[in-house]
Amino acid sequence: DAKTTQPPSMDCAEGRAANLPCNHSTISGNEYVYWYRQIHSQGPQYIIHGLKNNETNEMASLIITEDRKSSTLILPHATLRDTAVYYCIVRVEWTGANSKLTFGKGITLSVRP
Amino acid sequence: GAGVSQSPRYKVAKRGQDVALRCDPISGHVSLFWYQQALGQGPEFLTYFQNEAQLDKSGLPSDRFFAERPEGSVSTLKIQRTQQEDSAVYLCASSLFAVNYGYTFGSGTRLTVV
Repeated sequence: DAKTTQPPSMDCAEGRAANLPCNHSTISGNEYVYWYRQIHSQGPQYIIHGLKNNETNEMASLIITEDRKSSTLILPHATLRDTAVYYCIVRVEWTGANSKLTFGKGITLSVRP
Repeated sequence: GAGVSQSPRYKVAKRGQDVALRCDPISGHVSLFWYQQALGQGPEFLTYFQNEAQLDKSGLPSDRFFAERPEGSVSTLKIQRTQQEDSAVYLCASSLFAVNYGYTFGSGTRLTVV
């Protein structure tokens, strides 16, 4: 699986959009971009994933650049409960036994009141 | 149940003691994963089950670590002769199949070896 690079931390004001960047310059054509988050003392939670088109769900939007070398997770209206570590993961969609996730250190998002 | 349940939530073990950590996945979920998360780090893969078959155990750090899922539902991660470096949060995740819409993780078991 391709490696991802994320800044270690960022913050944003409550109610504002939080834009979390991720670089994955060695991504392959069949690799998807996944985002998970981990709130303190909880297990990781799936947020969204995409291949090359932008994706949106009830939690967030995922914007993938045309060359697929980077992406941005957007939380449109951040709340204090969005304070967490966010992990950007790149992997093929389904490879049977090799369907594990490879987490990095993630980016710590702090939402301030 | 509605989610993945792990027990105990916290475990303190003396060095050299054996421990067993339990994972109850979501009913009907075929795939089950164990991860280890050291303080300040992201989770690291330990092992993967598809039903009762352990298809990947490449992440187990030593032969002191053993996992089983005999009936394809509940799984147990056993650590023999615990060492201080085993102190971590152990996370279990399950999915309906190898569905890549995201696995559901439990809240983990925090193991402290003293």
